[in-house]
Amino acid sequence: AQKVTQAQTEISVVEKEDVTLDCVYETRDTTYYLFWYKQPPSGELVFLIRRNSFDEQNEISGRYSWNFQKSTSSFNFTITASQVVDSAVYFCALISSGSARQLTFGSGTQLTVLP
Amino acid sequence: IAGITQAPTSQILAAGRRMTLRCTQDMRHNAMYWYRQDLGLGLRLIHYSNTAGTTGKGEVPDGYSVSRANTDDFPLTLASAVPSQTSVYFCASSATVLGTDTQYFGPGTRLTVL
Repeated sequence: AQKVTQAQTEISVVEKEDVTLDCVYETRDTTYYLFWYKQPPSGELVFLIRRNSFDEQNEISGRYSWNFQKSTSSFNFTITASQVVDSAVYFCALISSGSARQLTFGSGTQLTVLP
Repeated sequence: IAGITQAPTSQILAAGRRMTLRCTQDMRHNAMYWYRQDLGLGLRLIHYSNTAGTTGKGEVPDGYSVSRANTDDFPLTLASAVPSQTSVYFCASSATVLGTDTQYFGPGTRLTVL
């Protein structure tokens, strides 16, 4: 069985603050993939990043960065200098080699960036 | 390129009625998926299809059926809708049959069963 936990249900920050969204996962497989998706108020799901279990290098894309730590089973997402347009629900998800194609989602974190 | 389209955008349905949610992709992806999104539960997989002509059950398949007659289309049918099927339904696709590729999502269908 696999599981993704996003303990932060809601976070509010003021524009230009940095914010980190936590994601903790569970899987028995050694080969797995982690994802982050963004769901803005309009409702669509936007793919942000995919990482495999053999690549623990942190990744940066503009104001977004991801910290993958296998030792703590975490894949945290940081937004630097947040903007109002970052307001959305963010989902962490996991798929493993033995999961029969089931992409398991966390329950999501609602991020509100206040002007 | 549209990516994935879903129809209808939203629907209100009486309990007991039959309903088909449509999903079409133009990316020539092999695999397709149906998820439902409920508040506080994230997204849960209903059914999937690795390639045209094959389908499989996900986490919450009861009350739903799917078919995959060709690469592009993957309709989801509720044979006799019940109020617990009120949800937002997302169709997704991924490029290969490996099952670990990135899944790209359609805009969703908001379904209300009364």
